[in-house]
Amino acid sequence: DAKTTQPPSMDCAEGRAANLPCNHSTISGNEYVYWYRQIHSQGPQYIIHGLKNNETNEMASLIITEDRKSSTLILPHATLRDTAVYYCIVRVANTGGFKTIFGAGTRLFVKA
Amino acid sequence: NAGVTQTPKFQVLKTGQSMTLQCAQDMNHEYMSWYRQDPGMGLRLIHYSVGAGITDQGEVPNGYNVSRSTTEDFPLRLLSAAPSQTSVYFCASSGGRGEYGYTFGSGTRLTVV
Repeated sequence: DAKTTQPPSMDCAEGRAANLPCNHSTISGNEYVYWYRQIHSQGPQYIIHGLKNNETNEMASLIITEDRKSSTLILPHATLRDTAVYYCIVRVANTGGFKTIFGAGTRLFVKA
Repeated sequence: NAGVTQTPKFQVLKTGQSMTLQCAQDMNHEYMSWYRQDPGMGLRLIHYSVGAGITDQGEVPNGYNVSRSTTEDFPLRLLSAAPSQTSVYFCASSGGRGEYGYTFGSGTRLTVV
């Protein structure tokens, strides 16, 4: 199973871009990279996912390196409400279906 | 469209008691799963299901049972509650077999005394 490595915490100034890195050096060719975030003690919120091409939606951009061993989630203009724990996940395939394993994530602090 | 609904939101149990945490979704999602989150920790997968009648174990299945008799519901049963099961429990669902982004419920905060 591919594992992910994220820094435990990061700071970002309000209004600046927040770049959250993730290493997944053992990722397989058919595994996707997903990002979620969890604000306070709420349920996690899906942000974005991708296979090998860069992806963008209304919340964020996902940049995946050409060798797919790492990725970066970009919040282009961070606000105080983006303070949360961000999880980078690689989807694991299992017999009969799929299961998703969460790691410890990165705690992002957006400061005024 | 309510999304994923978990009940109850809070629960206190005595050691040895049993109970069922309820999870229901109205999005016709095939994939559902249960996670627990201990204070200051990440989420750990307990059980998951890829469709009615099909369930499988996650990382920490001991002490928990699940069943999936309908697409909409995925209850989690604690057989004999222990203080180590004090946690926040989240239910999630997804279209397909989990390859799409998950929708999470708001959680059940369980304390076992």
